[in-house]
Amino acid sequence: AQSVTQLGSHVSVSEGALVLLRCNYSSSVPPYLFWYVQYPNQGLQLLLKYTTGATLVKGINGFEAEFKKSETSFHLTKPSAHMSDAAEYFCAVSDRGTSGTYKYIFGTGTRLKVLA
Amino acid sequence: KAGVTQTPRYLIKTRGQQVTLSCSPISGHRSVSWYQQTPGQGLQFLFEYFSETQRNKGNFPGRFSGRQFSNSRSEMNVSTLELGDSALYLCASSAGLAGRNSYNEQFFGPGTRLTVL
Repeated sequence: AQSVTQLGSHVSVSEGALVLLRCNYSSSVPPYLFWYVQYPNQGLQLLLKYTTGATLVKGINGFEAEFKKSETSFHLTKPSAHMSDAAEYFCAVSDRGTSGTYKYIFGTGTRLKVLA
Repeated sequence: KAGVTQTPRYLIKTRGQQVTLSCSPISGHRSVSWYQQTPGQGLQFLFEYFSETQRNKGNFPGRFSGRQFSNSRSEMNVSTLELGDSALYLCASSAGLAGRNSYNEQFFGPGTRLTVL
């Protein structure tokens, strides 16, 4: 079964600084990869996804992620943090279930704090 | 298009009781997945329903069950509640297409926060 590891349950950055949230996955086949964001008392919102094609994926709110097969990584970055980016971020990989469809496996999340 | 709705948003129950949570997917979506979110375990997949049939299942005890109706609305039931069942329960809807390239983007509801006393 596939798994997802997010390094750092809490990350703090200054406003305007680079945001880097790490995600590594285990997979024997090319996966589908996702980043979701969760604001307090809300569900998850899709930031970006990698399915096929270009390995650098751009998402909403200025975030992007790069799929690196050799490193089995899908790190999330944003050049300049904004106070509104404070939230919890989840990396997810799709895992093919027995029905032939895909279910999502989530990492444990990284809570991002942005300092003024 | 209306998003995924979950009711109720908050619930307080006592040990041994049972609870039913409801999820209405995005119109046209036929798949509903349920997740349990806790601070220690993150998001854990419970099960997925598609066209009224359970299609995928996570590793949860039989106390956790679900069903889906013909209009794609889904309910999740937890019987004999335990303190450890306190969590945010999220539902996600998707088109639910099968096949190698059908990753089926999931859209999440706001969740139901269950507290077991």
